[in-house]
Amino acid sequence: TQLLEQSPQFLSIQEGENLTVYCNSSSVFSSLQWYRQEPGEGPVLLVTVVTGGEVKKLKRLTFQFGDARKDSSLHITAAQPGDTGLYLCAGPPRGFGNEKLTFGTGTRLTIIP
Amino acid sequence: NAGVMQNPRHLVRRRGQEARLRCSPMKGHSHVYWYRQLPEEGLKFMVYLQKENIIDESGMPKERFSAEFPKEGPSILRIQQVVRGDSAAYFCASSLSNRGGNQPQHFGDGTRLSIL
Repeated sequence: TQLLEQSPQFLSIQEGENLTVYCNSSSVFSSLQWYRQEPGEGPVLLVTVVTGGEVKKLKRLTFQFGDARKDSSLHITAAQPGDTGLYLCAGPPRGFGNEKLTFGTGTRLTIIP
Repeated sequence: NAGVMQNPRHLVRRRGQEARLRCSPMKGHSHVYWYRQLPEEGLKFMVYLQKENIIDESGMPKERFSAEFPKEGPSILRIQQVVRGDSAAYFCASSLSNRGGNQPQHFGDGTRLSIL
């Protein structure tokens, strides 16, 4: 079973600070996706990273896929209260495409105004 | 363009009853996925269906759980003789054709099932 471990599990910081959350595995993934989920709602796809070493930016969010495609990070600059939510990484197990996603354990982020 | 629609949003059942959860995929999507999320946890894959076919049910318990995606109408996740441990949020996602591919999954807002 290919597991995705996310850290930290919980993070609470002041508005305006920077933060990084991590998604790690001992297995290689062909791609990794990051989702944000708000209370009472379903996950919303933020980005997909495919190539080892790839960096993608989405406004104040920067996503990086590790060179070995075993880990990924999400960096948020100048966090805003609207960034509050559960951040999930997910990827297809070896031998599968996106028809079967393994989800990480999640990082619950709270931005304090 | 409506997103993935799940109903009901909340469902309360007593132990031993049946729960039926419905999912209408996004327009044009013929692939549906069901996931279960326990409190403070990530999502766990249950089953992947195409119209009239179950493609992968490796994440679904062998007993009491079944899923279908008929030619017409929504996908249904059915849980018979519910127990307290079935209490969770159940999410449905849909995508374009995806076997071995990289089409993104679009999620509904889930059904929160509570077992009394």
